Amino acid sequence: GIQVEQSPPDLILQEGANSTLRCNFSDSVNNLQWFHQNPWGQLINLFYIPSGTKQNGRLSATTVATERYSLLYISSSQTTDSGVYFCAVGSFQKLVFGTGTRLLVSP
Amino acid sequence: DGGITQSPKYLFRKEGQNVTLSCEQNLNHDAMYWYRQDPGQGLRLIYYSQIVNDFQKGDIAEGYSVSREKKESFPLTVTSAQKNPTAFYLCASQTRQNTGELFFGEGSRLTVL
Repeated sequence: GIQVEQSPPDLILQEGANSTLRCNFSDSVNNLQWFHQNPWGQLINLFYIPSGTKQNGRLSATTVATERYSLLYISSSQTTDSGVYFCAVGSFQKLVFGTGTRLLVSP
Repeated sequence: DGGITQSPKYLFRKEGQNVTLSCEQNLNHDAMYWYRQDPGQGLRLIYYSQIVNDFQKGDIAEGYSVSREKKESFPLTVTSAQKNPTAFYLCASQTRQNTGELFFGEGSRLTVL
């Protein structure tokens, strides 16, 4: 099956810093989504982005489908950005999740 | 407000007991999913259902059962055959008419003693 690798596994930032999270995948996909899991376990959908670039406030994402990777950019990080960021890839019906990037933003 | 409601949020059970986790959505979504998350891990798909009265096994269906009698509801039963049931369980829904974005409930944390 499809393999998903996220890097880095852990990231510690000072508030206000920028960061880039990466998701590599092993096969062509028609569905790629980024999620944020807060410290209470709630998963929030950030982006549906099988290709191209999208922006939503301080967050943006780019997927280069031909090279099988996606990047999530967080600018001017805030403490509320802390949590785990997951990339999920696959088909419309079945998504495979990576193991996530754990982000801690300190004041 | 529209959303996905999972209950209970926390559940403790003895080994050998079956447990049913509830998932209800009022988003009018066709597809519903159950995922399992273990500490420090990503999510793994247990079962999914695209329409009422139909469901498919995911990657780790052994020891679990589901039903989909109503569009709004997709309960998950963790049976005594599941060898390691202690985990965080997440329910999600998805409309078939758009891009396929998944929306999640708040999760149910099951601990088997």
